[in-house]
Amino acid sequence: KQEVTQIPAALSVPEGENLVLNCSFTDSAIYNLQWFRQDPGKGLTSLLLIQSSQREQTSGRLNASLDKSSGRSTLYIAASQPGDSATYLCAVRPDTGNQFYFGTGTSLTVIP
Amino acid sequence: GAVVSQHPSWVICKSGTSVKIECRSLDFQATTMFWYRQFPKQSLMLMATSNEGSKATYEQGVEKDKFLINHASLTLSTLTVTSAHPEDSSFYICSGFLLASTNEQFFGPGTRLTVL
Repeated sequence: KQEVTQIPAALSVPEGENLVLNCSFTDSAIYNLQWFRQDPGKGLTSLLLIQSSQREQTSGRLNASLDKSSGRSTLYIAASQPGDSATYLCAVRPDTGNQFYFGTGTSLTVIP
Repeated sequence: GAVVSQHPSWVICKSGTSVKIECRSLDFQATTMFWYRQFPKQSLMLMATSNEGSKATYEQGVEKDKFLINHASLTLSTLTVTSAHPEDSSFYICSGFLLASTNEQFFGPGTRLTVL
């Protein structure tokens, strides 16, 4: 069964810093990988979706990379802002089946 | 992106009662929907896969008689927590699967269930 791990579990940075969130998965047979943001008590907001054939995706200040063979993805956030404070989840969809397996999440706090 | 709604957004009920949660895809047809549960400070755990017009597929350890799932139309799936107990208190999130796009899942805003 696919296991998804995110490091670090929590991160606190001053405003303006660039930061990297890490996601690793045990089975490289994935269809795609998706990064989400979750605010306290809220649902999930999709940030970036990377297909297995892609190496990276960019949206604004966010850049996600995927190294399928090594089972890793990173989410890079440039020039962090207090509004970026949230929990970030990565999820992988395996080659077979339509479900997602979620990581443990990284709780990000950006200090003004 | 596509929009998924959930109703209610929060519910408080007494132990032993049943609670129904609705998940709707507002602007797309979802032949497949997923139900997740999230305990405080933990990640999402898949409970079941809901398929339109057929029985749901439950993950190991999830009681199908306790968590009844009905997917009667292409835009609506319901999760009924029967005979709820305090340990069922959790955040329940559904998602719709959009086949026509990049095979992306779109998540509802979640339902906070508190069983007293």
